[in-house]
Amino acid sequence: DTEVTQTPKHLVMGMTNKKSLKCEQHMGHRAMYWYKQKAKKPPELMFVYSYEKLSINESVPSRFSPECPNSSLLNLHLHALQPEDSALYLCASSQQTSGRTDTQYFGPGTRLTVL
Amino acid sequence: GESVGLHLPTLSVQEGDNSIINCAYSNSASDYFIWYKQESGKGPQFIIDIRSNMDKRQGQRVTVLLNKTVKHLSLQIAATQPGDSAVYFCAENMVWSSYKLIFGSGTRLLVRP
Repeated sequence: DTEVTQTPKHLVMGMTNKKSLKCEQHMGHRAMYWYKQKAKKPPELMFVYSYEKLSINESVPSRFSPECPNSSLLNLHLHALQPEDSALYLCASSQQTSGRTDTQYFGPGTRLTVL
Repeated sequence: GESVGLHLPTLSVQEGDNSIINCAYSNSASDYFIWYKQESGKGPQFIIDIRSNMDKRQGQRVTVLLNKTVKHLSLQIAATQPGDSAVYFCAENMVWSSYKLIFGSGTRLLVRP
């Protein structure tokens, strides 16, 4: 089983709203990722969690706030977003094998529209 | 392939033919390469990967070739089917950054019935 699930599938929010995206995996993976993808572009890395600790923040604006409550869950809290933040937000996970790169498995994404 | 602006390079093939999608990667220090398939409205789906100590790897109907001399990666799909229509991304990972995948710009594969 290589399934990563994400909710909601679609989200429309105003610039003053607060919302959260959720991601879950039950593969025992210890690294989890948030990516942002604009139309006709490749995914862009936002955050990486390793063993539930934030490992990488790719200079993402503070209006995006990640959280990793446990090894299976990853959240992305959204506040005061801008219309240009509208995109497909993808979650991914991978094993944490020492000394090598592991395959990242992606979820279906949340299509976010900011009005 | 390379894309300019919002236009993805497109490969159009006849159903049943073989497809070859090419990718030039950027860093000679990369040691892991992966191909993803992304259908419209869905997340990227893992197809096949290869490590730098290999030059060829085969899966079911797919083959990945790695040429480290010219930093070139290709994905071959045998007997292409309509369900293969999607955008294909290559990605590379550098040995010193085990988390960060660097994605290519993507190629759209269209399968003509």
